[in-house]
Amino acid sequence: SQTIHQWPATLVQPVGSPLSLECTVEGTSNPNLYWYRQAAGRGLQLLFYSVGIGQISSEVPQNLSASRPQDRQFILSSKKLLLSDSGFYLCAWSSQASGNTDTQYFGPGTRLTVL
Amino acid sequence: AQKITQTQPGMFVQEKEAVTLDCTYDTSDQSYGLFWYKQPSSGEMIFLIYQGSYDEQNATEGRYSLNFQKARKSANLVISASQLGDSAMYFCAMRESTGGFKTIFGAGTRLFVKA
Repeated sequence: SQTIHQWPATLVQPVGSPLSLECTVEGTSNPNLYWYRQAAGRGLQLLFYSVGIGQISSEVPQNLSASRPQDRQFILSSKKLLLSDSGFYLCAWSSQASGNTDTQYFGPGTRLTVL
Repeated sequence: AQKITQTQPGMFVQEKEAVTLDCTYDTSDQSYGLFWYKQPSSGEMIFLIYQGSYDEQNATEGRYSLNFQKARKSANLVISASQLGDSAMYFCAMRESTGGFKTIFGAGTRLFVKA
């Protein structure tokens, strides 16, 4: 069966510090991968998605970036964090074979607090 | 205009009773998918149920059913025999065929199940 991992689970970082959040998927090949951010009490905002190694699409301009160095690894980064980057970051995957169904399955999330 | 509208920020239901969580959507696509996710306090997004726009039957998954009214563009989630563990945030989401890999989420409804 497929599983998705995210780490760290929680992170407290000072403003201006770098960020690296990692997401890995097991049990599937060539998945679509997604990064979402959820502000407190709000819905999900799609940040990035990837359909393959090295292929990244950005949905929202910001000081964050994403990379996909391996088929089942998705990394969210920042060179300098802002206070507004605080939130709950969720990674998700879906099967490229699912067509329009494209059910996304989420990881446990990383709670980021920027002070 | 909002693509996904969830008008109930919070709902209360008595244990063992049924509850309906409302969702309306806006799209001009003929082909689209509708999803419901549950987010407990732990933060993980759990996929509950999927309805395709061409599906004639309402989707059901255990105690969850989706009341799909295409002409009214509504996709309400019905939870039967509510349990205390159903207390969580519930998100309605839509993926349009012309939207690429983008799934749009509503703002969510917080459900409280009373003993």
